[in-house]
Amino acid sequence: DSGVTQTPKHLITATGQRVTLRCSPRSGDLSVYWYQQSLDQGLQFLIQYYNGEERAKGNILERFSAQQFPDLHSELNLSSLELGDSALYFCASSETTLGTGKSHGYTFGSGTRLTVV
Amino acid sequence: GESVGLHLPTLSVQEGDNSIINCAYSNSASDYFIWYKQESGKGPQFIIDIRSNMDKRQGQRVTVLLNKTVKHLSLQIAATQPGDSAVYFCAEKDMGRRALTFGSGTRLQVQP
Repeated sequence: DSGVTQTPKHLITATGQRVTLRCSPRSGDLSVYWYQQSLDQGLQFLIQYYNGEERAKGNILERFSAQQFPDLHSELNLSSLELGDSALYFCASSETTLGTGKSHGYTFGSGTRLTVV
Repeated sequence: GESVGLHLPTLSVQEGDNSIINCAYSNSASDYFIWYKQESGKGPQFIIDIRSNMDKRQGQRVTVLLNKTVKHLSLQIAATQPGDSAVYFCAEKDMGRRALTFGSGTRLQVQP
């Protein structure tokens, strides 16, 4: 157990629908990162939050959004889903905004496998 | 956290042999590098890191080598074991960016 909890583990939904993925960071970590892992693109950075505020954006589609709550858990919202959104979505956390402190980079959760049919 | 099905280069080694996994990066400003291991059904797991002011760092059975001149990173695993079978990713970042950028990964298969 890495200490980063992601729910649900699996999600199957239809095109056009909206889903919410949830992440609880490791205790003491203030930064949360979302990554998408698809078949042909490896791990792609989507977005980062630090202590409730958005800090960095990667290749995140406008149909996707995220937020980090006061208790530091984060949610990734995916809307108007398309078949190509099927992927593994990972959450990672770290102590600092730069993620290079004593926690040695990021700690990843086990991911949510999203299948859009 | 399955990575099964990813179209990745594969390195196949015999149990007990040493493994070398390579990674090229493109950002000359990158100053921090990490190797992650991803086993089937799990998320990426930290193995070892290195900062740009070093060219070698050793852990338990693993060594990371950094050649900044050619922007190349390698992970050496000594006495490879079946439990080392996984997908290995290098990741890098520079101080101007707030998130790790991951390489495409290499699948390591250890033959008993």
